[in-house]
Amino acid sequence: QSLLTQPPSVSGAPGQRVTISCTGSSSNIGAEYDVHWYQQFPGSAPRVLIYGSTHRPSGVPDRFSASRSGASASLAISGVQADDEADYYCQSYDSSLSAWVFGGGTKLTVL
Amino acid sequence: QAQLEESGGGVVHPGRSLRLSCEASGFAFSGSAMHWVRQAPGKGLEWVAVISDDGNKKYYAPSVKGRFTVSRDNSENTLYLQMKSLRPEDTALYYCAGPSMLTTVPFDYWGQGTLVTVSA
Repeated sequence: QSLLTQPPSVSGAPGQRVTISCTGSSSNIGAEYDVHWYQQFPGSAPRVLIYGSTHRPSGVPDRFSASRSGASASLAISGVQADDEADYYCQSYDSSLSAWVFGGGTKLTVL
Repeated sequence: QAQLEESGGGVVHPGRSLRLSCEASGFAFSGSAMHWVRQAPGKGLEWVAVISDDGNKKYYAPSVKGRFTVSRDNSENTLYLQMKSLRPEDTALYYCAGPSMLTTVPFDYWGQGTLVTVSA
């Protein structure tokens, strides 16, 4: 079981807004450690989508945004497109384990 | 441009050992903490281990502690993962990953992974 909990799947029609939640605890997100989001397409390595909880690397469309509150974080995709279909992972650091931790991943399906 | 290339994966019997390598280029390897991350077939990402830039500090996931050892050779720009007492649940694609030089992202550079299959 991951210390960061994500829904296994989300879906949306093209153009809709979808959100992916990431729920942690007081030893990771709640301890104000950075949250990063990664996007992974089948057969490829993950890439950074959001860093430092809310920042987009250059090259990432502004349709992607993220936020955090307390021990949770969320990723939002506004105007979802077919080529956004991928797996999305949140990631933080956990002080109780002294370990970097990932969420279980969320598969986005564009209907 | 940063590049990471893993090697050393293969099929191994339970209880046996295997050593993975990750050759780095295009960035300041000797100044970077480096990680191993794995992904079981059809499953999510799991952090495995980290080693500091000078190799003096090492941390492991509870699932591999005592069985896996991370090391590095900065003169060869190479990261290693020695895996012992392998179990079927260690079957995964093993990635090496490096941090961003500009942000707090720990996994900015990724290799393409090397597949380890533990099976009788």
